[in-house]
Amino acid sequence: QVQLVQSGGEVKKPGASVRVSCKASGYQLTTYGITWVRQAPGQGLEWMGWISAYNGDTDYAQKLQGRVTMSTDTSTNTAYMELRSLRSDDTAVYYCARKIDSSGYGWYFDLWGRGTLVTVSS
Amino acid sequence: QAVLTQPPSVSGAPGQRVTISCTGSSSNLGSAYDVHWYQQLPGTAPKLLIYGNNNRPSGVPDRFSGSRYGTAASLAITGLQAEDEADYYCQSYDSSLGGWGIFGGGTKVTVL
Repeated sequence: QVQLVQSGGEVKKPGASVRVSCKASGYQLTTYGITWVRQAPGQGLEWMGWISAYNGDTDYAQKLQGRVTMSTDTSTNTAYMELRSLRSDDTAVYYCARKIDSSGYGWYFDLWGRGTLVTVSS
Repeated sequence: QAVLTQPPSVSGAPGQRVTISCTGSSSNLGSAYDVHWYQQLPGTAPKLLIYGNNNRPSGVPDRFSGSRYGTAASLAITGLQAEDEADYYCQSYDSSLGGWGIFGGGTKVTVL
């Protein structure tokens, strides 16, 4: 079954770091990119960035530059997103999604994980 | 504030047709970049609904359709059903922001 399985919820204190994992099954991670999207409570979707498991290329949203790192482990078919210096407004559900890069249609995200709730609270 | 503007909410009775607009500018939809749509049912992850303006992935009912025109796009739901009550998001590329990670603010569809 083709799916993305994310790690469980986390509770962190302000200033800490969090790492969320996203394990791909049913396909090879190196075939497609992985994008990360977050959603604060009651808010819309915010794109965080993406990574190519094929060559390690990354592109991060400007507002997260310097605080976020995306990586992959091809031996376990798993992608990771680390966010540092956490603040209360980083409280959100974090989703990984498979990125389709179509020459005809551009990028879109056709397979999503179920999400990981990260709560930042003192 | 989202680069792509959507109405916060739309509503309709079962069986009716509703449309959701996604308004952009010359740096995104106006430059002929394709738009994609996602449906997010309550408490669940988003799901790809329409890609490349008007293409449905396998399994998406044909009552969902998309179109793009000038600096805007729209998603239409015909024969509205109770299970269509969800949030809907458009997504595209913006040349001034340099990427495809541009989402609309989302539209809540309520089935009356």
